Amino acid sequence: DIVMTQSPDSLALSLGARATINCKSSQSILYSSTNKNYLGWYQQKPGQPPKLLIYWASTRESGVPDRFSGSGSGTDFTLTISSLQAEDVAIYYCQQYYSTPKTFGQGTKVEIK
Amino acid sequence: QVQLVQSGAEVKKPGASVKVSCKASGYTFTNYGIAWVRQAPGQGLEWMGWISAYNGNTDYEQKFQGRVTMTIDTSASTAYMELRSLRSDDTAVYYCARDSAPFDRWGQGTLVTVSS
Repeated sequence: DIVMTQSPDSLALSLGARATINCKSSQSILYSSTNKNYLGWYQQKPGQPPKLLIYWASTRESGVPDRFSGSGSGTDFTLTISSLQAEDVAIYYCQQYYSTPKTFGQGTKVEIK
Repeated sequence: QVQLVQSGAEVKKPGASVKVSCKASGYTFTNYGIAWVRQAPGQGLEWMGWISAYNGNTDYEQKFQGRVTMTIDTSASTAYMELRSLRSDDTAVYYCARDSAPFDRWGQGTLVTVSS
């Protein structure tokens, strides 16, 4: 199984600050024949299901604000929130869909300081 | 619009079974698979398995093999997940999600509580 490890487990930042969440996979999730990284990012607010933000490591889902961006390749990935807003308070998960089981990271809790 | 609507909360005794439904609308049901993901209280997301809505092929997480069955009723655009021999640590919110490689749409979740 591919293990996904996120860091940090939590972060508290001021409104307008830049938030950076890292995700590392235990093996490469770059599929050579498509040159795509099989990595998604999700946002989960309390009492709600997860919501897909980013797929193929860097493609923003329709309707997702452009302050959210994804980067990285191979085994190391980053989700960046360029200017933290109050509505961004949530837990963020990365997920690999390169192979089953389609494993998730443990989550990163983002709060406002 | 794409929607996945799940059945309501369940309370079960240890050793019992539960069957959760997930009704899809707003897209061609057979074009996508359905994944099932669970989340224990205060915990992260755990992939349980996947079923093809096209042909019913399944792929289960090894830890659930023998206890879980995922099925599809294409005439009703509905997916089902049955979990048997329930234990207290199966208490969780169970989600279905449309599997387009990432999971781009999710059901609202079904709370299953296992308690004597």
